[in-house]
Amino acid sequence: GAGVSQSPRYKVAKRGQDVALRCDPISGHVSLFWYQQALGQGPEFLTYFQNEAQLDKSGLPSDRFFAERPEGSVSTLKIQRTQQEDSAVYLCASSEIGGRASETQYFGPGTRLLVL
Amino acid sequence: DAKTTQPPSMDCAEGRAANLPCNHSTISGNEYVYWYRQIHSQGPQYIIHGLKNNETNEMASLIITEDRKSSTLILPHATLRDTAVYYCIVANFGNEKLTFGTGTRLTIIP
Repeated sequence: GAGVSQSPRYKVAKRGQDVALRCDPISGHVSLFWYQQALGQGPEFLTYFQNEAQLDKSGLPSDRFFAERPEGSVSTLKIQRTQQEDSAVYLCASSEIGGRASETQYFGPGTRLLVL
Repeated sequence: DAKTTQPPSMDCAEGRAANLPCNHSTISGNEYVYWYRQIHSQGPQYIIHGLKNNETNEMASLIITEDRKSSTLILPHATLRDTAVYYCIVANFGNEKLTFGTGTRLTIIP
């Protein structure tokens, strides 16, 4: 079946530009996560949705970062006034139902953002 | 979540068993051990998880010590496609936010 998809796969932005990154989770998955992965580092948590509710946004690095999932399926991560330090791979993951140890997260291929 | 410690890199000959260690000495009683791997330019991929018993699936085996302070991921017959960064993570539930470290970069040598 279809996995998690993300678009675009690559994005080059000029400093100060706004960008929007899209995530299509596996159909029917309740939970959706965004992670940021800097070069040579492991992914770091940004934010978490259960259906359309954003339950945890503790990892968002600044108020320039905003995520939404209005209908409980597709999610968009928006970065306003991009800075060079925002350059990273942005990963989206989904899981079926919240709160069970047997749950696994299924990751998309990521969007590689380069801010010049 | 408990912190984990993994060696930064390891090599393994193709066809041999790859044994990847992980220390998690501060793990609490309700935390599971999860392993994910990340092949170059791809998103992380779930491998296996366990609480206190050893586990095996089609990809790997997970051996957890009796005191649960460490574990070993075993890839029984490593292939070149197993070259990846392997992350050991402890968490209460697999679907909550995952705290990745820097993992172990495993290189399979032909």
